[in-house]
Amino acid sequence: QQQVKQSPQSLIVQKGGISIINCAYENTAFDYFPWYQQFPGKGPALLIAIRPDVSEKKEGRFTISFNKSAKQFSLHIMDSQPGDSATYFCAASVNTGNQFYFGTGTSLTVIP
Amino acid sequence: ETGVTQSPTHLIKTRGQQVTLRCSSQSGHNTVSWYQQALGQGPQFIFQYYREEENGRGNFPPRFSGLQFPNYSSELNVNALELDDSALYLCASSLSGAGWTEAFFGQGTRLTVV
Repeated sequence: QQQVKQSPQSLIVQKGGISIINCAYENTAFDYFPWYQQFPGKGPALLIAIRPDVSEKKEGRFTISFNKSAKQFSLHIMDSQPGDSATYFCAASVNTGNQFYFGTGTSLTVIP
Repeated sequence: ETGVTQSPTHLIKTRGQQVTLRCSSQSGHNTVSWYQQALGQGPQFIFQYYREEENGRGNFPPRFSGLQFPNYSSELNVNALELDDSALYLCASSLSGAGWTEAFFGQGTRLTVV
C-alpha cells in the first residue's frame, strides 16, 4: 500500500512559470513532510520541509502548502528555471526520524 | 555535496550471490537509514541503525541485513541476490537523540543483478 501518493508523474513547464506537485497521505501519525530533489545519478537532496503545525512554508522560490484536514501537501516552484529540471519526491515520516515513506516521484522539465 | 559517502558506486553481481554495500555517515551523525530505489520509483525504506542497533525495518525479507560500526558507518548486506534486487541503494544519515535533524543522502550504489 502506497503510504504517500504523488501526482503528476511528469510535468513540463515553461521557463518563468509555476510548477505545482501534489501529495496525499493517510497516516495521521506523520508529522514531518520533506520534499527532495534528485538529479540523474545523484542521491536525493532536501529542498524544503514542513511540520503540520503551519499551513505554509516558503524558502526562496519554493513553497510548501499543507492542508492537515485534507491530508494533502504540495510543492510550488515559482519562476521555474531550466536548472530546476529534476525528479521531485515528497515524503513523510514521524519525528523527522529518517524512516521516510516516499511518493513515486515527479519528473519536472522546464523548457527555456 | 553531502558528507555521506557510499561505496562502491556501481556493482554487477550474479543471481544467488551475496553483496555488501558501505556507507560513511556525515560527521556527527549517529543514525543511518538504508533505502532501495528501483528505476523510476521513489526510495523504499529498508532499515535504520541507531547507535549500532537496528531501529526500525521496512517490508524487506531477512536476507537484507545490516551493521553499524562504532564510528557510525554502516553496511548493507544482501544474500541470495535476485534479479529484482537490481536498484539504486541509498543511505541517509542524521543525528538522533537530542532532537531530530534532517537526513542527508549519499549518491547511492547502483546494483545490477544478472
